[in-house]
Amino acid sequence: DIVMTQTPLSSPVTLGQPASISCRSSQSLVHSDGNTYLSWLHQRPGQPPRLLIYKISKRFSGVPDRFSGSGAGTDFTLKISRVEAEDVGVYYCTQATQFPWSFGQGTKVEVK
Amino acid sequence: EVHLVESGGGLVQPGGSLRLSCSASGFSFSSFIMHWVRQPPGKGLEYVSGISYDGAATYYVASVKGRFTVSRDNSKNTVFLQMSRLRVEDTAVYYCVKMHSWNYSFDDWGQGTLVTVSS
Repeated sequence: DIVMTQTPLSSPVTLGQPASISCRSSQSLVHSDGNTYLSWLHQRPGQPPRLLIYKISKRFSGVPDRFSGSGAGTDFTLKISRVEAEDVGVYYCTQATQFPWSFGQGTKVEVK
Repeated sequence: EVHLVESGGGLVQPGGSLRLSCSASGFSFSSFIMHWVRQPPGKGLEYVSGISYDGAATYYVASVKGRFTVSRDNSKNTVFLQMSRLRVEDTAVYYCVKMHSWNYSFDDWGQGTLVTVSS
C-alpha cells in the first residue's frame, strides 16, 4: 500500500504570509496511463473536506489562485501565496494512482 | 449543484450491524464511481469502500473486507454501505464521496453520518 506522509503536521501562519505543505509518497504516483493522481483537500472545522487541487497542480472549480500545487513522482507541495482567515483548517494530500487510495495524516494550518 | 446526503448512522454495540445510505442529486449518478471515506473523531481520513458506476466492481480496504458490503441502486440514485460485525475501531464519521470520472479526485463530499460502536 502507498503511504502518504505530510510535513509539517502543524503550521502556525500569519495572515497575509505564505504557507507551504509537503507530501511525500512511499512509491511513485505516476500511473501506467502517464498521469499522476495526486490531489489536495481542505477541511474546515466541523465541515467535510473539499477538493482544492487535482492531478498535482490543477485547481478545482472555484478555488482561489492563491492556492498552487507542484511536484512529481513522490514529492509534492501545496502552497498558499497569502494566507487568509478562511484558509485555516486541515489540509490532506491524497493519491488515487494505486488501490487502496490513501490520505496523508493531515496538516493543521492555524493563525499565529 | 451536487448534493450527497448520508443517513443511517447511530449507536451500535460491538458485533452489531448498521446500513448507511447516501442519496445523490444534481448529477448523472449512474455515470460515476462512488466511495465511502471515514474519519474517526479527532483523526484523519481513511478510505473504506467504493463501487463502480454500474456496480460491477467493488473496492474495500483490508480492515473492512468481509465485514462491509457496498452496493448501489441507480434507479434511486442511492449508494449503500452494509456494515456488519462492527468493532469499536469502526467508530467514525462516514462520508459519501463522488469520484471525478477522469481525474480520479474525490470532488464532492456529503456532510457525513456518525457511527458509534460502543457497549
